[in-house]
Amino acid sequence: EIVMTQSPATLSVSPGERATLSCRASQSVSSNLAWYQQKPGQAPRLLIYGASTRATGIPARFSGSGSGTEFTLTISSLQSEDFAVYYCQQYNNWPVTFGQGTKVEIK
Amino acid sequence: QITLKESGPTLVKPTQTLTLTCTFSGFSLSTSGVGVGWIRQPPGKALEWLALIYWNDDKRYSPSLKSRLTITKDTSKNQVVLTMTNMDPVDTATYYCAHSSPPYDFWSGPFDPWGQGTLVTVSS
Repeated sequence: EIVMTQSPATLSVSPGERATLSCRASQSVSSNLAWYQQKPGQAPRLLIYGASTRATGIPARFSGSGSGTEFTLTISSLQSEDFAVYYCQQYNNWPVTFGQGTKVEIK
Repeated sequence: QITLKESGPTLVKPTQTLTLTCTFSGFSLSTSGVGVGWIRQPPGKALEWLALIYWNDDKRYSPSLKSRLTITKDTSKNQVVLTMTNMDPVDTATYYCAHSSPPYDFWSGPFDPWGQGTLVTVSS
């Protein structure tokens, strides 16, 4: 099973600042990596797939990069609605696996 | 527009079997490449993938839960059913179903969109 490790666990950022979230896979997942956003009481929402492609309707301030084992989600200028928990997920191998999440909170 | 909705009991007793139904619209589970998966989330914890069924009836299960899970589909009703046997309080979680299809030339894809989820509590 591929283990997905996200860091940091919590990221404190001021509105308007850049946020950089990391996700590491225990073995290569090529570019078959997705990022999700989850707000309290809501289901996760797909942000990024294929490591760097924004899903439909996702603002351009969200960007993904990386391949193999190292991935990054960048939020260029945090808006109030972006404070949430973010999960990465690999779908390159069975079983598909999620990271433990990074909580982005208001500084 | 694709939508999914989970239904089932909100409370089950330890050792009982949980049966959850995912009813969807906006796509067909007979379309090549399409799948429906189940993912759960204990309160305050991370997401855990459970099972996935594909258009061709290919079924995949989490290795750690495989002995307890069964996933089936009813294409005519646009439903996917997940059963989990021998429920335990540690299985208390919000259970989500989600659509999956490869967005590019690959055998799998991300989960998009998700249902609203249903909270299942296991308690005597």
